[in-house]
Amino acid sequence: AQSVAQPEDQVNVAEGNPLTVKCTYSVSGNPYLFWYVQYPNRGLQFLLKYITGDNLVKGSYGFEAEFNKSQTSFHLKKPSALVSDSALYFCAVWENTGFQKLVFGTGTRLLVSP
Amino acid sequence: NAGVTQTPKFQVLKTGQSMTLQCAQDMNHNSMYWYRQDPGMGLRLIYYSASEGTTDKGEVPNGYNVSRLNKREFSLRLESAAPSQTSVYFCASSAGAGYLGSDTQYFGPGTRLTVL
Repeated sequence: AQSVAQPEDQVNVAEGNPLTVKCTYSVSGNPYLFWYVQYPNRGLQFLLKYITGDNLVKGSYGFEAEFNKSQTSFHLKKPSALVSDSALYFCAVWENTGFQKLVFGTGTRLLVSP
Repeated sequence: NAGVTQTPKFQVLKTGQSMTLQCAQDMNHNSMYWYRQDPGMGLRLIYYSASEGTTDKGEVPNGYNVSRLNKREFSLRLESAAPSQTSVYFCASSAGAGYLGSDTQYFGPGTRLTVL
């Protein structure tokens, strides 16, 4: 069963506009959720995570994500996009049944145009 | 503080050749991981080491072996490379001892491997 889904392969946004990168999950119980960013030819960089507590999580580089239990979503947001935000973004969730592991989505490419 | 480092950055092998990918972390982390990244498939866990001296299979361990040499270093070996092992390999580490879902994993820059 797919544990995390990123429904958009690519998101295009103009510099200065708000951005949203979507993620939905399907694990039982309380999820542990993560966002990572990957720049070209680089490893994944941790942005933020939700373990428990406040549904709005603030992370690195001005990013934030909102945990919504009723919609099983954990969308990544930023109020004002920068061209330098252009990268590949991965949502991940801890799969807590069967073989427990961190399950990554297939990634969403964010392209911010000047 | 270099974080997680990996060598080599690029490698081309012929089918049947062997090689070892090296990984080291300087964050005094207890757990270390090896992943592969293939187009359209996200990252998949090959092996992990939840503490120094232990290693366990991930979801795609076939064709690979690992060694947790010490707390800092975790190597991945391909004994007889196959074209299906063409991929980008990432090493990661996390602070906790034990395989913890709440633990943040920090990734190295990756090794791009091509098997002809």
